[in-house]
Amino acid sequence: KAGVTQTPRYLIKTRGQQVTLSCSPISGHRSVSWYQQTPGQGLQFLFEYFSETQRNKGNFPGRFSGRQFSNSRSEMNVSTLELGDSALYLCASSPRPPHQETQYFGPGTRLLVL
Amino acid sequence: DQQVKQNSPSLSVQEGRISILNCDYTNSMFDYFLWYKKYPAEGPTFLISISSIKDKNEDGRFTVFLNKSAKHLSLHIVPSQPGDSAVYFCAASANTGNQFYFGTGTSLTVIP
Repeated sequence: KAGVTQTPRYLIKTRGQQVTLSCSPISGHRSVSWYQQTPGQGLQFLFEYFSETQRNKGNFPGRFSGRQFSNSRSEMNVSTLELGDSALYLCASSPRPPHQETQYFGPGTRLLVL
Repeated sequence: DQQVKQNSPSLSVQEGRISILNCDYTNSMFDYFLWYKKYPAEGPTFLISISSIKDKNEDGRFTVFLNKSAKHLSLHIVPSQPGDSAVYFCAASANTGNQFYFGTGTSLTVIP
């Protein structure tokens, strides 16, 4: 099976712009979670989608949003970018919602905000 | 509030010796735990998991131990190999939520 794919892999934006990142889960996986990784902060949970419904959201401002499509592909959007949004954004998928499931990660999208 | 903590940012071990990576958690509702390995410029790769009904799980060179009373888990790698050099994350989930909580990672260097 193909793994989790994320596009684009690298992105450079300027403050105030918006950005959309895409994630395609492993075939048959219906749960997609998004994480932000910054140096020294580990992986911070953004949100989780299952069957097109957001089931959980982390402690991030409303500028961060996402959605999931009927084919389980997911997008996340960040509006009005700030310098602090520079990070590695990781997507993970699992067959069912995360509890007691192994999440499989994509390679991430490296976002740089100038 | 960091519910999963990896208090050692880095660890160096000689090739062939044992590597022990530690993880502490504060939420007593956590009942499922994962370890991931991450190389630079790649996403985390799943290593091993453990459910709270067990206190040990083995997979080849990797063993995870869970001490529920101490809210502590550890990952043992025996023998350590240079290819094990990476950042290791522990993660925990609870039946009450739909997310994993991750530690900040421990960078392991295995010296040839």
